[in-house]
Amino acid sequence: DAKTTQPPSMDCAEGRAANLPCNHSTISGNEYVYWYRQIHSQGPQYIIHGLKNNETNEMASLIITEDRKSSTLILPHATLRDTAVYYCIVKNYGGSQGNLIFGKGTKLSVKP
Amino acid sequence: DGGITQSPKYLFRKEGQNVTLSCEQNLNHDAMYWYRQDPGQGLRLIYYSQIVNDFQKGDIAEGYSVSREKKESFPLTVTSAQKNPTAFYLCASSRGTSGNEQFFGPGTRLTVL
Repeated sequence: DAKTTQPPSMDCAEGRAANLPCNHSTISGNEYVYWYRQIHSQGPQYIIHGLKNNETNEMASLIITEDRKSSTLILPHATLRDTAVYYCIVKNYGGSQGNLIFGKGTKLSVKP
Repeated sequence: DGGITQSPKYLFRKEGQNVTLSCEQNLNHDAMYWYRQDPGQGLRLIYYSQIVNDFQKGDIAEGYSVSREKKESFPLTVTSAQKNPTAFYLCASSRGTSGNEQFFGPGTRLTVL
């Protein structure tokens, strides 16, 4: 599975959009981009995933560049409860192992 | 409510003792996973199981053992052979191993004294 690069930390004001970038320049054609988040001392929570089209759900939007070498997770109206570590993961959809390779992620701090 | 549970949330053991961490899911998922997380780090895969009575080593399996006798349960034993067992242990499950989102339990924080 390809590696990802994320900034170690970001701040965001409450109520504003949080835009979390991720570089995955070596992503291959059958690899999806997944986003998870982990609130302190809890298990990670799935947010969203996509292949090449932009995706939106009730939690967030995922924007993937046309060349698929980078993506951005958007939390449209960040709240204090969105403070967490956000992990960007690329995974081969057809992989037999199935595990997710977690890097260190981006620690997002939402401030009042 | 469907979900994945781990017990206990905090566990203390003396050095040299084996300890078993529980993981149960009622999501009817075929695949289950055990990860380890150290402070400030990402998750690392210990073992995974794609189906009952089958499991595979992950990246850091040494000093650990698992069993998968039932679909719902995937207990992890931390043996005395694990050199640095103090960590946060996370269990997850998914419908399959191909492209399915993983659901995580709340984790067990193991401290070996």
